[in-house]
Amino acid sequence: GAVVSQHPSWVICKSGTSVKIECRSLDFQATTMFWYRQFPKQSLMLMATSNEGSKATYEQGVEKDKFLINHASLTLSTLTVTSAHPEDSSFYICSAPGTYEQYFGPGTRLTVT
Amino acid sequence: GENVEQHPSTLSVQEGDSAVIKCTYSDSASNYFPWYKQELGKRPQLIIDIRSNVGEKKDQRIAVTLNKTAKHFSLHITETQPEDSAVYFCAATNFGNEKLTFGTGTRLTIIP
Repeated sequence: GAVVSQHPSWVICKSGTSVKIECRSLDFQATTMFWYRQFPKQSLMLMATSNEGSKATYEQGVEKDKFLINHASLTLSTLTVTSAHPEDSSFYICSAPGTYEQYFGPGTRLTVT
Repeated sequence: GENVEQHPSTLSVQEGDSAVIKCTYSDSASNYFPWYKQELGKRPQLIIDIRSNVGEKKDQRIAVTLNKTAKHFSLHITETQPEDSAVYFCAATNFGNEKLTFGTGTRLTIIP
C-alpha cells in the first residue's frame, strides 16, 4: 500500500522556539494532506487541510499564524509550530487520501519544555 | 460539520468473547465509515471500512454494520485475542471530501 512518512518522529524544543514537521507521500502524489493533533488519551482532531498550490484550510479554533502549513510539492507538506508553548506538546499526525483509504504518517511526538 | 459519538469509552472482555463498539454520526452526507486500531504511540491502522451503499461487511473476525436511517454503525470483533487490545476509533467522512471526523475512541482490553 501507499506510504506516508513523517520527520522527525519525535522532537523536544524549548518554549518560544519554532519546530517544523515534514510529511511526505513516498510513492504517490497528494494534492491534499491533512494534519491532525492527538493529545494523550484523546482522539485525533483535524487541525487543517493542506492544499498543494494554495492556502491551507484551518479548522475552527486553530490559529493559522501559529501553525503554518506549506504544501510545497505534490509529495511534501510541512507544519511549522511557531513560538511553541508547553500546551502545544502533542502527537501530530499527517495523512494523505489514496484511492480507497487515508494513509497516515507515523506521527511526530512534540514535547515543548 | 460532522459529529461522531462513540461508546463505550472503555471495554474489557474475556479472551474468546465478542466485543462491540458503537458509533453515531450526524451528517447524512457522510458515506464512508472506517474503523481504526491504534496502539500506543503509533499511527491509526485501518482494520475495516464500510460505504453507505452496504449494510454489513465482514473480514474474518471483524465485522461492521451500518444503519443509514438511524445514522449509526458498529464494530464487532469475535473470538477476541490478547493482541486485539488497543484503542479503536470510528470515523466518518463524505468520500469526496475525505476529511475524517473521528469518534472519541474505545480502549479495548482483552483479559486472558
